[in-house]
Amino acid sequence: GAGVSQSPSNKVTEKGKDVELRCDPISGHTALYWYRQSLGQGLEFLIYFQGNSAPDKSGLPSDRFSAERTGGSVSTLTIQRTQQEDSAVYLCASSLTSSTGELFFGEGSRLTVL
Amino acid sequence: AQKVTQAQTEISVVEKEDVTLDCVYETRDTTYYLFWYKQPPSGELVFLIRRNSFDEQNEISGRYSWNFQKSTSSFNFTITASQVVDSAVYFCALPTGGGNKLTFGTGTQLKVEL
Repeated sequence: GAGVSQSPSNKVTEKGKDVELRCDPISGHTALYWYRQSLGQGLEFLIYFQGNSAPDKSGLPSDRFSAERTGGSVSTLTIQRTQQEDSAVYLCASSLTSSTGELFFGEGSRLTVL
Repeated sequence: AQKVTQAQTEISVVEKEDVTLDCVYETRDTTYYLFWYKQPPSGELVFLIRRNSFDEQNEISGRYSWNFQKSTSSFNFTITASQVVDSAVYFCALPTGGGNKLTFGTGTQLKVEL
């Protein structure tokens, strides 16, 4: 489809392992966001990419978290040495311009760290 | 501080009742946008509305209406004649960080029962 695509939809991993979550934004959208949603909580901003500019990493909770966006399109969020508190739904969104425009969200990647 | 407060954690109504979801915000910006998003049980957030702070007129879209009052920093959302399909978590949001990110409230879970 033409929406934001995220994979995997579900990931169960053991504490201490690394995980990679992928986001394929809507074609032509220059802005890409990662958010985290813990059970019963709101959305926590993680990182923002806009075109070729340096990403806004101000929301990353620790240095175990990193993200890349290759070729201005697909993005990968990597969590190293996962901890149980990393368990959450990781949501990706894209937008034509910036957060002042409509954000289109994917269905999320549910991460469970055992 | 720039933040969004949704004091109502959960609301339950019977179908056909009207329901209002409250949103109060704080911002340093003189001009800004406000948003409402819906998150149905499937998990994918869906954009409902964007409102510019210049425009304080109420907006109506079918059964949905929004009341924006700058004087009280509120942007409330009313669903008229609620339906079971309206059951979802509703988030109010405000661009922050120079517009780089959308800051969300903690959401209001709406349950519409028969």
